[in-house]
Amino acid sequence: ILNVEQSPQSLHVQEGDSTNFTCSFPSSNFYALHWYRWETAKSPEALFVMTLNGDEKKKGRISATLNTKEGYSYLYIKGSQPEDSATYLCAFFMNRDDKIIFGKGTRLHILP
Amino acid sequence: GAGVSQSPRYKVAKRGQDVALRCDPISGHVSLFWYQQALGQGPEFLTYFQNEAQLDKSGLPSDRFFAERPEGSVSTLKIQRTQQEDSAVYLCASSRQGLSTGELFFGEGSRLTVL
Repeated sequence: ILNVEQSPQSLHVQEGDSTNFTCSFPSSNFYALHWYRWETAKSPEALFVMTLNGDEKKKGRISATLNTKEGYSYLYIKGSQPEDSATYLCAFFMNRDDKIIFGKGTRLHILP
Repeated sequence: GAGVSQSPRYKVAKRGQDVALRCDPISGHVSLFWYQQALGQGPEFLTYFQNEAQLDKSGLPSDRFFAERPEGSVSTLKIQRTQQEDSAVYLCASSRQGLSTGELFFGEGSRLTVL
């Protein structure tokens, strides 16, 4: 059974503070890792698609890193804002087939 | 439409009733996925289509679940004789590419509650 683990499960952060959380995945048969942001009552939206070991991607105040050899990815949010409150999902894509395995998500709450 | 559209958004079914959930993917998207998200869990893979071909249905939890995409566009997920454990949000996603290293575009989901 292949597991994609996200930690922490839930996180409360003061507005203006920076934060980060982790996605761990199997280090073998890696093909791609996706990060999605899922706001309440909306559709999950892609943040990053990462394919290469050592990848670092940035979108505004949000960035992500990828280590495929040790099987983890970090998502960083700098200067948290209320609109960052959401569930952040990572998804691991295997090269054996087209299945994508999602983690359970990290629920981020930004406190005003 | 501009995005992935799912209907109905909410469905309440009595145990034993059949339900059908519809997904309209983004026009021209080759890949279509169905996921089931139970409360407190991440999305769990159900099935995958490439155009009209169902390439993987290994995630369907039982033979009561059936999915089709007959013309390679709209897809329907059918659940027969619904049970309480089928209560979940059913997410549909589509992707431009055949092998989905491209990002997935999700619908807002269909929330099924089985009484």
